[in-house]
Amino acid sequence: EPEVTQTPSHQVTQMGQEVILRCVPISNHLYFYWYRQILGQKVEFLVSFYNNEISEKSEIFDDQFSVERPDGSNFTLKIRSTKLEDSAMYFCASSIAGGRGDTQYFGPGTRLTVL
Amino acid sequence: AQSVTQPDIHITVSEGASLELRCNYSYGATPYLFWYVQSPGQGLQLLLKYFSGDTLVQGIKGFEAEFKRSQSSFNLRKPSVHWSDAAEYFCAVLGSSNTGKLIFGQGTTLQVKP
Repeated sequence: EPEVTQTPSHQVTQMGQEVILRCVPISNHLYFYWYRQILGQKVEFLVSFYNNEISEKSEIFDDQFSVERPDGSNFTLKIRSTKLEDSAMYFCASSIAGGRGDTQYFGPGTRLTVL
Repeated sequence: AQSVTQPDIHITVSEGASLELRCNYSYGATPYLFWYVQSPGQGLQLLLKYFSGDTLVQGIKGFEAEFKRSQSSFNLRKPSVHWSDAAEYFCAVLGSSNTGKLIFGQGTTLQVKP
């Protein structure tokens, strides 16, 4: 069964450093998402992406964040200058269609630790 | 603003007992509702979803959920819990912007006693 994969599973970085989290969505999916979950808190939407454009972003997704689909298979989340509060589990998801509740398939997550 | 509330942070049930996990949503129109499960070290897996029609929806692993508009609820049930059901369960509603954004509740951690 196709699945969403994410690398690395765990990333440790120093505050102020740039990180890139990578995701490979399911191959025929067209809509891509990033969510995050700070330890002990709810899963929060960061951004949705379709047709090489951001469809929607949350207040969390400020200028320090960016997303890209560089090569038609990977979907990346970049944090330019990490802060301590960026420490969280980051989930990538993809779906065939967007809106109308099409099923989103989630990856296993990347745990980001900012020191 | 849309929101989802899962009143129970942690629930413990005995194996073989029935289970009900509560979910309340805040949304003006007919919501698109989901239940996801997260096992340790795993991503979120969809258990079931409700869009319209029959208010009792069946999902995977023997789970079902009932949409009750009058109570703004979408509670998840299972008649007989197995030890492998121990996990964290998330209720979610589709955002009104129709971009696929999901709004999640806090999650309920289910512990199963032997």
